[in-house]
Amino acid sequence: AQSVTQLDSQVPVFEEAPVELRCNYSSSVSVYLFWYVQYPNQGLQLLLKYLSGSTLVKGINGFEAEFNKSQTSFHLRKPSVHISDTAEYFCAVSEVTSGSRLTFGEGTQLTVNP
Amino acid sequence: NAGVTQTPKFQVLKTGQSMTLQCAQDMNHNSMYWYRQDPGMGLRLIYYSASEGTTDKGEVPNGYNVSRLNKREFSLRLESAAPSQTSVYFCASTPGNSGANVLTFGAGSRLTVL
Repeated sequence: AQSVTQLDSQVPVFEEAPVELRCNYSSSVSVYLFWYVQYPNQGLQLLLKYLSGSTLVKGINGFEAEFNKSQTSFHLRKPSVHISDTAEYFCAVSEVTSGSRLTFGEGTQLTVNP
Repeated sequence: NAGVTQTPKFQVLKTGQSMTLQCAQDMNHNSMYWYRQDPGMGLRLIYYSASEGTTDKGEVPNGYNVSRLNKREFSLRLESAAPSQTSVYFCASTPGNSGANVLTFGAGSRLTVL
């Protein structure tokens, strides 16, 4: 079965600084990888996904993530954050052969300070 | 286009009481899911329905039952609520049962069990 670990529970940064949210996964088969974002008092929405092909994936709001198969990682990055990026971010994985059962990481709270 | 609608948004129960969380989607999706979200634990799958007429247990099914009433609706029932079931519950749906699918989430139902 797959598992996901988000290495930082909280990441505080200043506005316009770069940020990286780290995600490692574990699986014995090929996987699909996702980042979802949850703004306060809302449901989750997709930020970006890796299904196949190019290992660098671009998402909404200027975020990107890189799939690294050898290190089993899928870190999320943004070169310059805004106050409005303050939210909780979830990494998630599904195995290619196991249907649509996603496993989520514990979440990383990104707080952007002025 | 409402997407995924959950009711109620908030509920307070006493230990031992029962209640049903309702979920409906208007996107003609085949697969539906119930997750619970707890601080520091991410989202955990309670039950899912890969297609109309089928339901399966997820990671944390104990204390819950589900009904896939029709293609649109998927309800979650707590027969005898316990304080450990205090959580935020999210319903989600996908077009089909593929790991590549993106989940569409409802806004969540916050349940407190006293």
